[in-house]
Amino acid sequence: RKEVEQDPGPFNVPEGATVAFNCTYSNSASQSFFWYRQDCRKEPKLLMSVYSSGNEDGRFTAQLNRASQYISLLIRDSKLSDSATYLCVVNSPGGGNKLTFGTGTQLKVEL
Amino acid sequence: DADVTQTPRNRITKTGKRIMLECSQTKGHDRMYWYRQDPGLGLRLIYYSFDVKDINKGEISDGYSVSRQAQAKFSLSLESAIPNQTALYFCATSDTGRLAGGNEQFFGPGTRLTVL
Repeated sequence: RKEVEQDPGPFNVPEGATVAFNCTYSNSASQSFFWYRQDCRKEPKLLMSVYSSGNEDGRFTAQLNRASQYISLLIRDSKLSDSATYLCVVNSPGGGNKLTFGTGTQLKVEL
Repeated sequence: DADVTQTPRNRITKTGKRIMLECSQTKGHDRMYWYRQDPGLGLRLIYYSFDVKDINKGEISDGYSVSRQAQAKFSLSLESAIPNQTALYFCATSDTGRLAGGNEQFFGPGTRLTVL
């Protein structure tokens, strides 16, 4: 089983749609969780951290379910500029700041 | 100016050649990382360094070596390049983790390496 699993997509959605991405992780000792965004041929950039209580940043909402080892990202009112690959990222337990990246979910927002 | 820079941005080389990829950062971070990204496999950690005197192997270190010349510089070497090392390589930095889970990593723009 992969440490971090995501549906690769692509998710093709019309502008204005709500879209949800899911991610599961295998190591119950993981403590930090993130969503990164990666545009085509560009470097990954942090979109948001994911907290146990859930957190929201504008049109983006992230949630964590530790019992199910499941992370989600909800994007409301999708914009063309949201088209990118979204990477689910989990810290690797054992000290330090080693991160394990999912393979990413590709989103295409269309007119 | 970019906080994390990588040189070269693109490189085409032949099997057996020695290649060095360089990374510099102006963020003042202690921690630096090298990743490679392949289609369908995501980002995989090659080596990481938590300070100038600290070097650690990551998930896929075979065929690679690194040097941490200064806090701001971390270079990755392929001693004898082979075609399956063709990939997109990213350098990243992070601040010292104040939490057990660690902090955000900041990535350079990447180096696209092709080994023929």
